[in-house]
Amino acid sequence: DAKTTQPTSMDCAEGRAANLPCNHSTISGNEYVYWYRQIHSQGPQYIIHGLKNNETNEMASLIITEDRKSSTLILPHATLRDTAVYYCIVKLRGNEKLTFGTGTRLTIIP
Amino acid sequence: DAGITQSPRHKVTETGTPVTLRCHQTENHRYMYWYRQDPGHGLRLIHYSYGVKDTDKGEVSDGYSVSRSKTEDFLLTLESATSSQTSVYFCAISESTRGRGRWNTEAFFGQGTRLTVV
Repeated sequence: DAKTTQPTSMDCAEGRAANLPCNHSTISGNEYVYWYRQIHSQGPQYIIHGLKNNETNEMASLIITEDRKSSTLILPHATLRDTAVYYCIVKLRGNEKLTFGTGTRLTIIP
Repeated sequence: DAGITQSPRHKVTETGTPVTLRCHQTENHRYMYWYRQDPGHGLRLIHYSYGVKDTDKGEVSDGYSVSRSKTEDFLLTLESATSSQTSVYFCAISESTRGRGRWNTEAFFGQGTRLTVV
């Protein structure tokens, strides 16, 4: 699976959109981009995933660049409960070995 | 919430003692995983399973063994616990499904087991 690069930490004001970047410049055509988050001491939680097209669900939006070398997770109206570590993972379907990097620690500021 | 249960939730054990952690699922998912998480680190994969009796090593498998004799249970064993294995252990399950023209392998995680080796 391709490697990902994320900023170590970010802050965002409560109520504003939080934009979390992820670089995956070596991604291959069949690799999906997944986002998970881990709220303090809990197990990680799936947020969203995509292949080529932008995706949106009740939690977030995922914007993937046209060349697929980077993506951005958008939390449209961040709340204090969105404070967590966010993991961007690139994974080939059929390879179910799921590995995490160090992620981005997002802190929502009141 | 996905039906995934880890037991025990907390354990204190002595160095050199064998320890087994259990992950039980009621979702009939094919894939199961064991991770450890230490302060300042992300999740590190120990072992994973892609079916009954089919397992493979992850990034940090030394000192750990696993067994999966039935779909619903994935056991992690520390043959002889060491202080460096003090950690929080997470189990996860996943299954590949197809919807909206794309594949999804969403993983669900247990609540974690806090293991202390003294």
